[in-house]
Amino acid sequence: NAGVMQNPRHLVRRRGQEARLRCSPMKGHSHVYWYRQLPEEGLKFMVYLQKENIIDESGMPKERFSAEFPKEGPSILRIQQVVRGDSAAYFCASSPPYSADTQYFGPGTRLTVL
Amino acid sequence: TQLLEQSPQFLSIQEGENLTVYCNSSSVFSSLQWYRQEPGEGPVLLVTVVTGGEVKKLKRLTFQFGDARKDSSLHITAAQPGDTGLYLCAATNDYKLSFGAGTTVTVRA
Repeated sequence: NAGVMQNPRHLVRRRGQEARLRCSPMKGHSHVYWYRQLPEEGLKFMVYLQKENIIDESGMPKERFSAEFPKEGPSILRIQQVVRGDSAAYFCASSPPYSADTQYFGPGTRLTVL
Repeated sequence: TQLLEQSPQFLSIQEGENLTVYCNSSSVFSSLQWYRQEPGEGPVLLVTVVTGGEVKKLKRLTFQFGDARKDSSLHITAAQPGDTGLYLCAATNDYKLSFGAGTTVTVRA
């Protein structure tokens, strides 16, 4: 029973490039959450999605960041025109329906912006 | 300011000793979770507690949710080197998990 999968595990981008982070939830889970862990800081909520719907994006920066969870395929967190301050570990979590507080995390994508 | 305060920040003990990690808040939560995170990996869910006063046991780990649902503790009996890691508490009233800064536990052989 595969857990939450994220790829790539490590991503290096130069300032101004785009970063695309992918997340496949656990089998049977239709709710996806993205969190960011900045160096020396705790995990912070970014966005909550269900299939084809953004439920809550209140934790996501208003500019350059976007997220989607299409009907088919993984959830994507997209960061346009990356800056050094975007360097962080980005974690995806998923939960079963009607149990949003029971979230299982993927291994994360470590983004480094040069 | 952290919504959830964890203490201590670091804990180093000898194999076989017991340890307790605390998670405190001034807010009431509908549920609280404990995770363990290894370097370079994602947090692994250990337990979810939802009822005030609830106690859950997972082998040598005992989790307690405070009566007022504002605090929690994690107690490890007879710690082993494999228990080494970063222990995170998280809490929520809906789906947004708020995390503490974590307690780094080191168990020396």
